[in-house]
Amino acid sequence: SQQGEEDPQALSIQEGENATMNCSYKTSINNLQWYRQNSGRGLVHLILIRSNEREKHSGRLRVTLDTSKKSSSLLITASRAADTASYFCATLLLNFGNEKLTFGTGTRLTIIP
Amino acid sequence: DAGVIQSPRHEVTEMGQEVTLRCKPISGHDYLFWYRQTMMRGLELLIYFNNNVPIDDSGMPEDRFSAKMPNASFSTLKIQPSEPRDSAVYFCASSLQSGIGERWGYTFGSGTRLTVV
Repeated sequence: SQQGEEDPQALSIQEGENATMNCSYKTSINNLQWYRQNSGRGLVHLILIRSNEREKHSGRLRVTLDTSKKSSSLLITASRAADTASYFCATLLLNFGNEKLTFGTGTRLTIIP
Repeated sequence: DAGVIQSPRHEVTEMGQEVTLRCKPISGHDYLFWYRQTMMRGLELLIYFNNNVPIDDSGMPEDRFSAKMPNASFSTLKIQPSEPRDSAVYFCASSLQSGIGERWGYTFGSGTRLTVV
């Protein structure tokens, strides 16, 4: 079953604009991760934020996490055509030596040159 | 580093045939995961291994599915007999454990697109 729901399902913006994607989840987590998937390829890890962190930056990426609302957002600034891909949030839960990384439904981002 | 290597990239087989998917994780990674991706169900965790030992196989859909990891550099996912509903992209991923016990991000292979006709 999917833990996360992402919003919007699809997003089209002009190159140079900022893109914001949101993720909501249902249970407690140890960390939340964002991945990118280009068409026909595997997933690429972008950024990880721990449950005790509220914001994290990596290059043009900014991730926020609100554990009280069980939600996260991914902001891509100054978008480029190469950012066109599907973006997935994934929540990690550690439980008595077992772990589960559960993926959301994904946001399909299209950057218009 | 060649990353996580999966083979074959594409597999087309007839219903009832045995299918074997292969994965070589990144050297030194102690965790290996098998995921399945479909339009209807998204990405689903099938099974994962820690130091070659299966830890959680609760995501394996049926007894027709089996996975092995005979050594640290090789894993297989086998479907026998295959059915059309098994058609999907199967991903293998590996990762390291962080110093505080949490998992770093996973490194995914390019996937095997399986079509069962």
